[in-house]
Amino acid sequence: KNEVEQSPQNLTAQEGEFITINCSYSVGISALHWLQQHPGGGIVSLFMLSSGKKKHGRLIATINIQEKHSSLHITASHPRDSAVYICAVSPNSGGSNYKLTFGKGTLLTVNP
Amino acid sequence: NAGVTQTPKFRILKIGQSMTLQCAQDMNHNYMYWYRQDPGMGLKLIYYSVGAGITDKGEVPNGYNVSRSTTEDFPLRLELAAPSQTSVYFCASSSNRGGEQFFGPGTRLTVL
Repeated sequence: KNEVEQSPQNLTAQEGEFITINCSYSVGISALHWLQQHPGGGIVSLFMLSSGKKKHGRLIATINIQEKHSSLHITASHPRDSAVYICAVSPNSGGSNYKLTFGKGTLLTVNP
Repeated sequence: NAGVTQTPKFRILKIGQSMTLQCAQDMNHNYMYWYRQDPGMGLKLIYYSVGAGITDKGEVPNGYNVSRSTTEDFPLRLELAAPSQTSVYFCASSSNRGGEQFFGPGTRLTVL
């Protein structure tokens, strides 16, 4: 079983819809990261969080440490939000918390 | 700042050939990483470095070697290329343990 599970794997939405992508993990962590990868493009860090909630523009990331779960929300989605969203965790094990463990990603397509 | 740069962007190798993927960062980050990304799979850590002169294996190191003679550069060497090494390779860096990672644009490698 992968240590980091994302759902859904694929998501199609209409422009303007509210989007939620989920991430569950099975290990203790020091931080959780959300990353964005556009088709054929590089990878950009969106958020790093260890508790609570962070907001950047139309993107909101939340984490529940007790439930080992995080969500990424996109409000008023736009076609330019179409990308793969990747969840990654810094495991809190033996001093190796600088090595990330990645989920397989969620492919989001926003249609106009 | 250029951030993290990688060369080349694309490369086709024949089985048995060798090559070096270059990675450089100008942010004075101590931590650097090499990942490979295969279709439908999460990013896998190949090698990492916590500072000049210090490197260690990640999850999938077989068939690769690295060196870190300076803070800025972290080249990845492929010896005796095999079709299983066909992948997209990303280099990343971070300033501290478990911190936000900054990714290069990637190198798409095909081994035929």
